[in-house]
Amino acid sequence: AQSVAQPEDQVNVAEGNPLTVKCTYSVSGNPYLFWYVQYPNRGLQFLLKYITGDNLVKGSYGFEAEFNKSQTSFHLKKPSALVSDSALYFCAVSPTSGTYKYIFGTGTRLKVLA
Amino acid sequence: DAGVTQSPTHLIKTRGQQVTLRCSPKSGHDTVSWYQQALGQGPQFIFQYYEEEERQRGNFPDRFSGHQFPNYSSELNVNALLLGDSALYLCASSLLAGDQFFGPGTRLTVL
Repeated sequence: AQSVAQPEDQVNVAEGNPLTVKCTYSVSGNPYLFWYVQYPNRGLQFLLKYITGDNLVKGSYGFEAEFNKSQTSFHLKKPSALVSDSALYFCAVSPTSGTYKYIFGTGTRLKVLA
Repeated sequence: DAGVTQSPTHLIKTRGQQVTLRCSPKSGHDTVSWYQQALGQGPQFIFQYYEEEERQRGNFPDRFSGHQFPNYSSELNVNALLLGDSALYLCASSLLAGDQFFGPGTRLTVL
């Protein structure tokens, strides 16, 4: 079965420190990969995506993600965390071209401590 | 340019009732997808509409149905509500093969 795993329910990091939010997937073929952020009582905001090419993808608000095909991972990173980055982060995959549904992970709550 | 809008923001229903949720896509988008996000979970794909037809469907019962109008807006209908239908319902719009942009969601509570 196709699935996305976010192994950490919560990640705590001090402001100014680098952050990583992990994501692995089990999807055949060459899926499209996404990261979204959700603030309380809000919808999902697009951060970045990977389709093909360079394994390091840069996105909004200073976030980037590293794609690793052999490990089927797509970890979200930021060199220096801000308190305002505290939110719920979701990894998603779109399995193959022609099937446009997204499969989401269960989310990781990021807490950046001042 | 307005993004994806959804109405209502919140809704409270009782078991057995029926509910209709509405979504207006981002300007220029022709495809609408609906997701259910239960508390503490990631969004689950319900179905997708394009050219006024359901193109794909997730693992949801027939109690969940939808419609897309000529102006690309969409409705999600849920019949015979169960307690387990309580969730945040998200609408996403896109071009058919494009990135999905999400609305703020409708919070449905079933009592």
